[in-house]
Amino acid sequence: GENVEQHPSTLSVQEGDSAVIKCTYSDSASNYFPWYKQELGKRPQLIIDIRSNVGEKKDQRIAVTLNKTAKHFSLHITETQPEDSAVYFCAAGGSQGNLIFGKGTKLSVKP
Amino acid sequence: AAGVIQSPRHLIKEKRETATLKCYPIPRHDTVYWYQQGPGQDPQFLISFYEKMQSDKGSIPDRFSAQQFSDYHSELNMSSLELGDSALYFCASSLEGAGNSGNTIYFGEGSWLTVV
Repeated sequence: GENVEQHPSTLSVQEGDSAVIKCTYSDSASNYFPWYKQELGKRPQLIIDIRSNVGEKKDQRIAVTLNKTAKHFSLHITETQPEDSAVYFCAAGGSQGNLIFGKGTKLSVKP
Repeated sequence: AAGVIQSPRHLIKEKRETATLKCYPIPRHDTVYWYQQGPGQDPQFLISFYEKMQSDKGSIPDRFSAQQFSDYHSELNMSSLELGDSALYFCASSLEGAGNSGNTIYFGEGSWLTVV
């Protein structure tokens, strides 16, 4: 089955700096890669996603890149703000439609 | 816009008891997923349903069962509860099994289960 590895597990940056989170996946059949932001005790919220026919997607300060050959994808957050502090999960769309999540990255943005 | 509705939001049960969680997907969504998230852990996929049929099975214990009804709502039944079952249980929904179809999966607010 699908296996998703996510790094780093924790990330601390200064406000205004960029943050990068990387994920790799194992199932070459996966072709949907969303990123979720989760605040403590709340539901995961979709922040951006990418399909396998696209190599890069950007939405304001957030961008995601996908390398299908290498089976890895990354989340880039620019000009980080304290409210970006949360746990970020990458996920890969399984062959049956379910999502397999990475272990999460706790991002802390220091003012 | 309507979201995924889960009930109850909080539930406290004793060991060996039974619990049932309910999920009402976004209108017109035909696929429901259940995830379990322990403290400080990533959401673990339990089971999913598409058009009232089980579509995939993850790490769901044999003590748990689930089904999707004709109105597309789903229920997760958990029996012989153990302390380790204490977690946040998320239901999510999508159109036509999101994953490789590219349809977005939306999560409910979750149901907190505490087993004492």
